[in-house]
This record gives sequence, structure tokens and C-alpha cells, in this order.
Amino acid sequence: DIQMTQSPSSLSASVGDRVTITCRASQSISSYLNWYQQKPGKAPKLLIYAASSLQSGVPSRFSGSGSGTDFTLTISSLQPEDFATYYCQQSYSTPVTFGPGTKVDIK
Amino acid sequence: EVQLVESGGGLIQPGGSLRLSCAASGFTVSSNYMSWVRQAPGKGLEWVSVIYSGGSTYYADSVKGRFTISRDNSKNTLYLQMNSLRAEDTAVYYCARQRELPEYFDYWGQGTLVTVSS
Repeated sequence: DIQMTQSPSSLSASVGDRVTITCRASQSISSYLNWYQQKPGKAPKLLIYAASSLQSGVPSRFSGSGSGTDFTLTISSLQPEDFATYYCQQSYSTPVTFGPGTKVDIK
Repeated sequence: EVQLVESGGGLIQPGGSLRLSCAASGFTVSSNYMSWVRQAPGKGLEWVSVIYSGGSTYYADSVKGRFTISRDNSKNTLYLQMNSLRAEDTAVYYCARQRELPEYFDYWGQGTLVTVSS
């Protein structure tokens, strides 16, 4: 199975900050990397698919980049509604696997 | 509008069985890949099983031989039959539509909690 890691595991930031979350795969996954946002008690929400494609309806302050083993999710200007946990997920091979998550909270 | 609504969760004793349902609207279950993903309390996301549009099924090693994914085309509903339940199966179970090429989960249900405890 492909192992996914994320860093940091948590971060504190202020509204308006630029936030970057990193995801690393244990082997090359090309661009088969997706990002999800999850708020407490809610289902995950798709933000980015195929490493850099923005899901319809997701604000443009979210962006993704990377290929191979190293990927990044960037929030250009953090908004109050962005405080949540973010997960990366590889879809290169079955079983699909998720990263452990990065919790973004208010500084 | 695409909607997924899970049901069937609850408290069950170790070794017991439970069947989860996921009623879909706004799209056809049988024409899509459909997955179950679970989340243990306070933990991350774990993929459980997928059924492809062609009918092939796959399972995580942790549930293989105990869980069965299926669908009822007439009811546009996805199921997860869970047998020989263990404490470590305690989680919120989500159904999700899985898009193909590239694959990603674009719609999720609200989740149903399964608690395995004596």
C-alpha cells in the first residue's frame, strides 16, 4: 500500500495568512492526488483533484501543486471558514489511502 | 442535486452483524464507482470498500472476508454488510461517489455511526 504523510500535523494561523500544507507519498503517484477539507461533525469536502484542479464551487484562494511524491495545498489568504482539518489522498492505486490530516486552527 | 443519505448504524456487540444503506439521488449508483470510507472517533479517514460500475468489488485488508459491498439498482442504493464486527470497526461510515480517471470522491453522505461494544 502507498503510505501518505502530511506536514505539519497542525498549525495555528490568523485570518489573512498564507497557509501551506505538504503531502508526501511513499512512491511516485504521478498527479493522482486529491485534497479534502473536513470540519468537525461533517463529511469531508473535495477541494482539489488531480493535484491541481480546483473542484467546482471551491474558492480560488485554494490551490494545489506537485507531482510524483511531493504535493502542496496552499490557501492564499485564510478565511474564518477555512479553519478545519485537511487530508490528502492518493488515487494512483487500490487501496486508495489518505494522509493523517493537518488541523488548521486560529492563532 | 446529488445527495447521499446513509442509515443503519447503531450499537452492536462484538461478533455481531449490521447492514448499512446509502440512498442516492440525483445520479445513478450503478453507473458510478461507489465507496465506503470510515473514520474512527478522533482519527483520520480510512477507505473500506469500492464497487465499480461494472460490478467488481475491492476491500481494505482490515475488512476483507467480513464486509460485503453491494448495490440495488432498482432502489438506487448502496449497501455495506458488516459481519464479525470488532471493537476496531467502531467509526463513522461514509458512502461516497468516486469519480473515474482521475479518481476522487466528489460527493459524500453525512455519515452513520457504528459502535461495536459489549
